[in-house]
Amino acid sequence: DAEITQSPRHKITETGRQVTLACHQTWNHNNMFWYRQDLGHGLRLIHYSYGVHDTNKGEVSDGYSVSRSNTEDLPLTLESAASSQTSVYFCASSVRGSSRQFFGPGTRLTVL
Amino acid sequence: AQRVTQPEKLLSVFKGAPVELKCNYSYSGSPELFWYVQYSRQRLQLLLRHISRESIKGFTADLNKGETSFHLKKPFAQEEDSAMYYCALSGARSAAGNKLTFGGGTRVLVKP
Repeated sequence: DAEITQSPRHKITETGRQVTLACHQTWNHNNMFWYRQDLGHGLRLIHYSYGVHDTNKGEVSDGYSVSRSNTEDLPLTLESAASSQTSVYFCASSVRGSSRQFFGPGTRLTVL
Repeated sequence: AQRVTQPEKLLSVFKGAPVELKCNYSYSGSPELFWYVQYSRQRLQLLLRHISRESIKGFTADLNKGETSFHLKKPFAQEEDSAMYYCALSGARSAAGNKLTFGGGTRVLVKP
């Protein structure tokens, strides 16, 4: 079955380290999104992509970067992890032109 | 700018009682509204979208453009409805895709 997966599911890292979270979807969706989920803030958009080689900043993009080299993957990189980036990260994808998004299982990241 | 507000962080109801989750939005155009649900340790999944005008798991939601609201209702809550609920808005739409803006979420606890 087509699906969207994230890895790792849990990650503990230290302040200042570079971290990359993976997101892989097999639906052939054009659109992919990265959110962070924090208590009281709901989900906030970090970066998104509407196709290969297309990336855009979201609401809370500082300290994060993405690249889209193929349709299936949108890895999220924290250039220099900070404690404020401790969060649960969700990846999502959608069909071109659609607002309905399908979510991955999430990655819980702790920055010590 | 688009904004979604869910004023209640926690709703606690008894099984069989009605439950209503409030969602208010601000957006100058014609929005598309969604309700997503996240059960314990599971990924977010779509519950309702206003354009579908359907009832899922006994839940309904009506878009009230005059009051800029999209409240979620269920006449008789069940214990399996205990979850985190997010209201989301899709504003300006493009041929490529549509971003979602999420509210802060409401945790629903249905007591036996």
